[in-house]
Amino acid sequence: DGGITQSPKYLFRKEGQNVTLSCEQNLNHDAMYWYRQDPGQGLRLIYYSQIVNDFQKGDIAEGYSVSREKKESFPLTVTSAQKNPTAFYLCASSIASSNQPQHFGDGTRLSIL
Amino acid sequence: ILNVEQSPQSLHVQEGDSTNFTCSFPSSNFYALHWYRWETAKSPEALFVMTLNGDEKKKGRISATLNTKEGYSYLYIKGSQPEDSATYLCAFWDYKLSFGAGTTVTVRA
Repeated sequence: DGGITQSPKYLFRKEGQNVTLSCEQNLNHDAMYWYRQDPGQGLRLIYYSQIVNDFQKGDIAEGYSVSREKKESFPLTVTSAQKNPTAFYLCASSIASSNQPQHFGDGTRLSIL
Repeated sequence: ILNVEQSPQSLHVQEGDSTNFTCSFPSSNFYALHWYRWETAKSPEALFVMTLNGDEKKKGRISATLNTKEGYSYLYIKGSQPEDSATYLCAFWDYKLSFGAGTTVTVRA
């Protein structure tokens, strides 16, 4: 089945450590997105990519980095510079147009040890 | 950061009752408004993408209307069922989505 796969489902980070969240899609979508959810807040955009080898910062990019070397993959690295990384992270993809819905993965919950 | 607001934050509905809730967004430079349903332990699922003022969309017992001139959209659930329990998110598109915080609907049997 076509869809978006995020891994791992749960991730723990030690102080000073970088961790990478995986996002893979087989929907042949050009655009991919990373969101963060905190309790009581809406989804906030971290980074997005409209095409391979190109990406843009979202509203809360500080402390995060991404790459888009392949159309299918958009990994997110949470760096040690992100001081409050504990959150639920969602990856999404879409055809790059305003009237096309986004398709979401099941998410990764990141916690600090 | 665009201001997208949803109200109420949560509501409880008796099974069989109908309900509605609101999403407000900037009324200038409108491109599209998305609605998503997010059930517990699942990923968000697209309900509607609305692009024209006066748009009305329907999916089963759920429908939505759009007023781009005044910057609001209503989502309606007719004859609520327990499976309608979820958080409903709206998002304003201007080359990227800005989400509201959601309205959490709990349908009591």
